[in-house]
Amino acid sequence: SYVLTQPPSVSVAPGKTARVTCGGNNIGGKSVHWYQQKPGQAPVLVIYYDSDRPSGIPERFSGSNSGNTAALTISRVEAGDEADYYCQVWDGVSDHYVFGTGTKVTVL
Amino acid sequence: EVLLVESGGGLIQPGGSLRLSCAASGFTVSSNYMSWVRQAPGKGLECVSVIYTGDSTHYADSVKGRFTISRDNSKNTLSLEMNSLRAEDTAVYYCARVRWSGSFYFDYWGQGTLVTVSS
Repeated sequence: SYVLTQPPSVSVAPGKTARVTCGGNNIGGKSVHWYQQKPGQAPVLVIYYDSDRPSGIPERFSGSNSGNTAALTISRVEAGDEADYYCQVWDGVSDHYVFGTGTKVTVL
Repeated sequence: EVLLVESGGGLIQPGGSLRLSCAASGFTVSSNYMSWVRQAPGKGLECVSVIYTGDSTHYADSVKGRFTISRDNSKNTLSLEMNSLRAEDTAVYYCARVRWSGSFYFDYWGQGTLVTVSS
């Protein structure tokens, strides 16, 4: 089955840029979606189709996808961005909904 | 405003059954793809089941044959019937709307309901 690999943690100072990666075999050929989950809360969609933002999501959140790596970039990081972030794809070959392992973003 | 509210979670013994419900507002369940996604304590997300328009369904291998997803169009609700529950089914269960345009993703989520399988 298709596997998505994320770093367990990323630390970033306020005002700096955080980059969360999501690795998968030829992931550039798939559409990648990203979710933010704060402690005790439900996930929230922050990026869909690699780089589109739902309404209400700040422009500081952006996404990219190429080759074997997709990435979520958070610019001008704020304390409120501290959360777990999950990537997700739909693998049409196996008809599986696949989530990444999750990355905890810590704001120093 | 789209709102999803789950109910029905609780403590259940191994081998038991439980039915989760999700009340939707702000959109029509019958004309959307809907899903259940779970998260075991301290773990990541797992899509358990999806129901498509036309009522075709998808199940994760881990629950196939034990869980059944359905919807009640008259009440605008989604349900998950869970049988033969195991300790590894312990998780927060989220109801989520599924969107499609070449790929599937989950655009709105409920607050979740906790299912604990333990003797």
